[in-house]
Amino acid sequence: NAGVMQNPRHLVRRRGQEARLRCSPMKGHSHVYWYRQLPEEGLKFMVYLQKENIIDESGMPKERFSAEFPKEGPSILRIQQVVRGDSAAYFCASSHWTSGTQETQYFGPGTRLLVL
Amino acid sequence: AQTVTQSQPEMSVQEAETVTLSCTYDTSENNYYLFWYKQPPSRQMILVIRQEAYKQQNATENRFSVNFQKAAKSFSLKISDSQLGDTAMYFCAFMGGAQKLVFGQGTRLTINP
Repeated sequence: NAGVMQNPRHLVRRRGQEARLRCSPMKGHSHVYWYRQLPEEGLKFMVYLQKENIIDESGMPKERFSAEFPKEGPSILRIQQVVRGDSAAYFCASSHWTSGTQETQYFGPGTRLLVL
Repeated sequence: AQTVTQSQPEMSVQEAETVTLSCTYDTSENNYYLFWYKQPPSRQMILVIRQEAYKQQNATENRFSVNFQKAAKSFSLKISDSQLGDTAMYFCAFMGGAQKLVFGQGTRLTINP
């Protein structure tokens, strides 16, 4: 039973380029979450998605960042015109959904983004 | 807004000793979950243990147990018979009705041989 898959594991971009991070949830999971971890800090929530819906994007920067979880295929976190401050580890997590219950989130290995 | 505080940036113990990591949180919600995640040098986030707030009994997973004090909003992690492989960053996390995890700043735990 494969866990949460993320790719690429490492991504290097120059300032102004686009970064595209992919996440495939665990089998049977319909909810995906993206978190960002800056060096020496804890993880910070960015966005929560179900298939074809953004449920909560309160942690997403208003500009340059977008996320999607299409009906088919992985969830994508897109960062346009990257800046050095975007350098971080980006983690995806997935969970089941049960009405009225908070479900445990299982994390992928993360994508380390380095902006030169 | 919920907050999670881990007041111990670093801890170090000898192998086979018992160590307790502290965590406090602030929330106005009544139904929530609390978690401890471990992040070893590989930086993978690994679930250690989970506690439902409505359960009075403290969660236990092998050598890992929690001391959940709901009134005090305290959620400490105890690691018994510590092993070298326990060396990692440990993050306490809160999940309320919004489904998103709120993490503390982490405690860097080193187990010495």
